[in-house]
Amino acid sequence: KAGVTQTPRYLIKTRGQQVTLSCSPISGHRSVSWYQQTPGQGLQFLFEYFSETQRNKGNFPGRFSGRQFSNSRSEMNVSTLELGDSALYLCASSPDTGIDTEAFFGQGTRLTVV
Amino acid sequence: AQSVAQPEDQVNVAEGNPLTVKCTYSVSGNPYLFWYVQYPNRGLQFLLKYITGDNLVKGSYGFEAEFNKSQTSFHLKKPSALVSDSALYFCAVRDLNSGGYQKVTFGTGTKLQVIP
Repeated sequence: KAGVTQTPRYLIKTRGQQVTLSCSPISGHRSVSWYQQTPGQGLQFLFEYFSETQRNKGNFPGRFSGRQFSNSRSEMNVSTLELGDSALYLCASSPDTGIDTEAFFGQGTRLTVV
Repeated sequence: AQSVAQPEDQVNVAEGNPLTVKCTYSVSGNPYLFWYVQYPNRGLQFLLKYITGDNLVKGSYGFEAEFNKSQTSFHLKKPSALVSDSALYFCAVRDLNSGGYQKVTFGTGTKLQVIP
């Protein structure tokens, strides 16, 4: 079974630009979550989608948005990039939203804003 | 509000010695606790979880964790450390938010360094 796939793996963007990251969950998984990982802030929750609906949202500005498609693939978009958006963005999928279910993570997209 | 604390930024242990990575939590309801490991330039990998039942949970790669309700702790342990265990370890707790949907909170991570 293929794991969680995130594309691209690495990305360099300029301040003010926008970026779209993609996540393909494990086949059959309907829940997709996104996290931002930085050395200073650790792992911070961005949002979670289940069956194309956003079920949870973290404390990030409106420049960060996401969506989920009918095949469970998800994208997240960051507009008007800032230097502080440089981070590893991780996507995780789960079969459902059961509270006792572990998440399966992709390898992440390393975004560098210059 | 739920929270997770990993009090040590880094833990150093000699190869072959037992290791412990500490985690304490705070939740309003029943705790659903997880440990993940992250190797350099990789995503997180699930190690083990506590949902209910036996307080000693066994997981992948010889790791285990002890749930202590009175101390609100969920420490990760391994009897004999390997150099290949060197990685970043995250404790996480799942709870339900006000809307009834699950919310996951991760600790800040503990870097484990196993010294040959």
